[in-house]
Amino acid sequence: NAGVTQTPKFQVLKTGQSMTLQCAQDMNHEYMSWYRQDPGMGLRLIHYSVGAGITDQGEVPNGYNVSRSTTEDFPLRLLSAAPSQTSVYFCASSYSKSGVVGYTFGSGTRLTVV
Amino acid sequence: SQQGEEDPQALSIQEGENATMNCSYKTSINNLQWYRQNSGRGLVHLILIRSNEREKHSGRLRVTLDTSKKSSSLLITASRAADTASYFCATVNNDMRFGAGTRLTVKP
Repeated sequence: NAGVTQTPKFQVLKTGQSMTLQCAQDMNHEYMSWYRQDPGMGLRLIHYSVGAGITDQGEVPNGYNVSRSTTEDFPLRLLSAAPSQTSVYFCASSYSKSGVVGYTFGSGTRLTVV
Repeated sequence: SQQGEEDPQALSIQEGENATMNCSYKTSINNLQWYRQNSGRGLVHLILIRSNEREKHSGRLRVTLDTSKKSSSLLITASRAADTASYFCATVNNDMRFGAGTRLTVKP
């Protein structure tokens, strides 16, 4: 039982480069979301999706794009990487936004922008 | 902006002691959840308490919720070295927002 799978685990980008962080879940969860975690700030919501074809912005959406073409996949795209986007990124999924049985998190992608 | 704020930021106790962490939040909620994060890993869901509940238990965990004070507490009884981790509260209304966490160290 894989749960939530994130790839890659580590990535170094140069300023201005673009890349896609992958997230896939095999639990048939409708709700998926992306968070970034910075030291001393907890997790901040970037984007979320309540189902295939539906996405919405969270607290810190600038510089990121998402799409949800299937229930299983929710990729996060960095359009033009900046040093301020150096962070650890977590993908999470749940049956619903309210997470009545909790969210399942991936193991994270550690991104460094130089 | 973050919704929940944990207190204390760091807590160090001896194995066998109880650990209490507090969470305060600002707006109305649907439910409040607690998560654990071991160093370098993802978050793991521990327990959820709904806005109409006041107390919940799960094994060595006890969570309370006071909606009038907009606060919650997580009690871990008879702590073990394996409980060493960061603990986050997360409030759910339109979406899920996390606090900055409490770093718990349990010394053997």
